[in-house]
Amino acid sequence: GENVEQHPSTLSVQEGDSAVIKCTYSDSASNYFPWYKQELGKRPQLIIDIRSNVGEKKDQRIAVTLNKTAKHFSLHITETQPEDSAVYFCAASGYALNFGKGTSLLVTP
Amino acid sequence: KAGVTQTPRYLIKTRGQQVTLSCSPISGHRSVSWYQQTPGQGLQFLFEYFSETQRNKGNFPGRFSGRQFSNSRSEMNVSTLELGDSALYLCASSWAGGNTEAFFGQGTRLTVV
Repeated sequence: GENVEQHPSTLSVQEGDSAVIKCTYSDSASNYFPWYKQELGKRPQLIIDIRSNVGEKKDQRIAVTLNKTAKHFSLHITETQPEDSAVYFCAASGYALNFGKGTSLLVTP
Repeated sequence: KAGVTQTPRYLIKTRGQQVTLSCSPISGHRSVSWYQQTPGQGLQFLFEYFSETQRNKGNFPGRFSGRQFSNSRSEMNVSTLELGDSALYLCASSWAGGNTEAFFGQGTRLTVV
């Protein structure tokens, strides 16, 4: 089955800096790559996704890049704010969504 | 439009017992997936149901089972509970599973004592 590796497991940045989270996947048939944000005590919520026919997608301060040849994709958050502090999960999907183990992002003022 | 609803929110069970969790998907969604969330392990995929059929299954023992009804509501059952089954169980619904956006419920927190 699909195996998704996510790094780093924890990330601490100063407010205003950029944050980058990287994921790799194993199944070349995967064609959908969403990112979820989970705040403490809340359910995971989709923040951005990308499909295999696209190399990059941007939504305000958030962007995702995909390299299908290398089987890796990344989340980029620019101008980080304290409210960006949360756990972020990447996922890869062919027939089912398989998640990485998460990155705990802390943005300090 | 109502979101994904899971019941109950909290459960405390004793080792050896069994438990049933319920998930009501967003209206019109036919796919329901179940995940186990534990600290440090992220979201581990249990299984996915689509139109009452299990389409995909993760690497969990046979004590974990599920089903889906004709109205797309899904139940997950865990038999012979072990301490290690203590976790947050999340379900997610989507229109068609796979590469369609998945919406999560708030989860059921299961504690096995």
